[in-house]
Amino acid sequence: GAVVSQHPSRVICKSGTSVKIECRSLDFQATTMFWYRQFPKKSLMLMATSNEGSKATYEQGVEKDKFLINHASLTLSTLTVTSAHPEDSSFYICSASPSTNTEAFFGQGTRLTVV
Amino acid sequence: AQSVAQPEDQVNVAEGNPLTVKCTYSVSGNPYLFWYVQYPNRGLQFLLKYITGDNLVKGSYGFEAEFNKSQTSFHLKKPSALVSDSALYFCAADNQGGKLIFGQGTELSVKP
Repeated sequence: GAVVSQHPSRVICKSGTSVKIECRSLDFQATTMFWYRQFPKKSLMLMATSNEGSKATYEQGVEKDKFLINHASLTLSTLTVTSAHPEDSSFYICSASPSTNTEAFFGQGTRLTVV
Repeated sequence: AQSVAQPEDQVNVAEGNPLTVKCTYSVSGNPYLFWYVQYPNRGLQFLLKYITGDNLVKGSYGFEAEFNKSQTSFHLKKPSALVSDSALYFCAADNQGGKLIFGQGTELSVKP
């Protein structure tokens, strides 16, 4: 199947700093990627839809100024958590599909810990 | 509101026994339906999908799922569970071109 790579897998940062998470589709082009947040043993909450060459679409309740998304190429989307606080600590996962009729492929996830 | 429900937080099965993880959906139109599995601190791995056609879908690692339109269900099954099947399982629906609606997740525990 298709491969989506996410980096880093783990990051610890100090409160008030910013952290960038990368999501790459390795063997296909993705005009759309999705960013999810997952709390321990809980379901995935869709945060935003990342659109190549245009602004991301954020879900209700997600602060767009805090979670900056950039989709500068057909194989790369980035999520930047700005001015991180301990409550932003979570597991962040991205996904992409080669086409609308195929399943989504997920990155390995990024465990963010803000201290 | 559109939703996917997994009524069981946890399913416990003895190794070698059949397993079922339940999923029902309330999504307009004819959604695509998926099952994913997640191991600790990992992303989701695709197991199987239903788009159209035969109601019984076979997927990875011996899993299968039965689509029932009248009951709006898509239960995941396996004839003989393995200890290594222990993980978190998610049912999901898609009718918006890739935007997935996830169920709450069901933790499967298979004991030797």
